[in-house]
Amino acid sequence: QKEVEQNSGPLSVPEGAIASLNCTYSDRGSQSFFWYRQYSGKSPELIMSIYSNGDKEDGRFTAQLNKASQYVSLLIRDSQPSDSATYLCALTGGFKTIFGAGTRLFVKA
Amino acid sequence: GAVVSQHPSWVICKSGTSVKIECRSLDFQATTMFWYRQFPKQSLMLMATSNEGSKATYEQGVEKDKFLINHASLTLSTLTVTSAHPEDSSFYICSASSGTSNQPQHFGDGTRLSIL
Repeated sequence: QKEVEQNSGPLSVPEGAIASLNCTYSDRGSQSFFWYRQYSGKSPELIMSIYSNGDKEDGRFTAQLNKASQYVSLLIRDSQPSDSATYLCALTGGFKTIFGAGTRLFVKA
Repeated sequence: GAVVSQHPSWVICKSGTSVKIECRSLDFQATTMFWYRQFPKQSLMLMATSNEGSKATYEQGVEKDKFLINHASLTLSTLTVTSAHPEDSSFYICSASSGTSNQPQHFGDGTRLSIL
């Protein structure tokens, strides 16, 4: 089992819809969780950090963490074509950060 | 905050040339820096982790004599691709962290390396 699992997609949603991206992980000792967005040909950029169970909202983005079930998700409300990118889930335990392979999101205009 | 500058953005050079890529943290002290490479449509691949003042820790399969990493200060790390060949052509990305285990990595803009 991979340490961080993401569906590679592509996930296709219409403009204005909610995009739901999911990530599961295997290390129960993981403490910090991050979502990065990577546009094609560009480097990843941090969009959300979450450290405790529950929801964390930032604008159109909501990160959800459930440590008991070992998953973290990212919801994007009112999806825009400019949200089309690959979304990387990452987590740390100790001093090591593990990245998922990413989910490609395509928002149709 | 948390800006990481990477230079150069693009490099095109002949086979056999050595290429140096710089990674600077502009507004924080980066006790740990990371070097990744990424091939088209593939995942990030961690090459090495470097801590300021220490030798870099390379991932399995990465040649340390081929990819020289120096992290001499809290704001600068360099990756030198020695005697580069066409198969070294890739997108190289650095990231930096303040070193506290719960802090995220912040990425530079990447360097696209093309070896002719």
